[in-house]
Amino acid sequence: NAGVMQNPRHLVRRRGQEARLRCSPMKGHSHVYWYRQLPEEGLKFMVYLQKENIIDESGMPKERFSAEFPKEGPSILRIQQVVRGDSAAYFCASSPGVNGQETQYFGPGTRLLVL
Amino acid sequence: DAKTTQPPSMDCAEGRAANLPCNHSTISGNEYVYWYRQIHSQGPQYIIHGLKNNETNEMASLIITEDRKSSTLILPHATLRDTAVYYCIVRVVLTSYDKVIFGPGTSLSVIP
Repeated sequence: NAGVMQNPRHLVRRRGQEARLRCSPMKGHSHVYWYRQLPEEGLKFMVYLQKENIIDESGMPKERFSAEFPKEGPSILRIQQVVRGDSAAYFCASSPGVNGQETQYFGPGTRLLVL
Repeated sequence: DAKTTQPPSMDCAEGRAANLPCNHSTISGNEYVYWYRQIHSQGPQYIIHGLKNNETNEMASLIITEDRKSSTLILPHATLRDTAVYYCIVRVVLTSYDKVIFGPGTSLSVIP
C-alpha cells in the first residue's frame, strides 16, 4: 500500500512565478491536510480538505495561496506570484476520514525555493 | 498553541533505551497522546498513540501516567537512525477532524 505521494520533491521558482504542489493521499483516504515548515521552524497547519470541499483554511495566507482536492486526481496547493518568503518545505498528510481512525500520515514533502 | 511541553534536546547512547518525556497537564478526557518524529528533511513519521493505557508497537512504547498529565515515549534500543526531532501532540480523534498542532519537539541525538 503506497504511502502519501507528493510531487515534485523539489521546485525552484523565480519571484512572481506560480508554484503548483501535488499530493496524492494514501489509498482509501479521503481527508487531506497541508502543512508548511519554514527553515529552522516547526510545522504549521495550512488547510484541511475533503473531496471537493475546503473544510478549514484558517492557516493559509489570504492572498496568493489556494488549495483544492477534486473528485478525481490529487490535491493541489497553488501559490501565485511567489516571493522569497514562500521558500519552505510543504508537507501533505492524509487520513481515512472515519471517526476513530484519524491518524494522519505524512508525505515526503515538496521543497520550494524561490530565487 | 501546542498543548504539550517537551525538553528541547536529549542525547542517548546507541543501543540504550531512549526515554522522551512529555508534559500535557491540561489534557482533556477525550484527547489522545500522539507521537511523531521527523528525521532531517523528511516528512513526519507516525510512531504511536494512546488514550490512557500503555501502548507498544514495533517502533516504540508509550507510557501514560495514571492522571494522564504526562507521558514517556520509549525507544528500547536506540540506533543512529533514530536521531530525529520527536513531537508529542494531544488530539481529539473522535471528531470530524482536527488539525495537528506541532510544538518545537525534542531533538534526539543518538551517539555512537
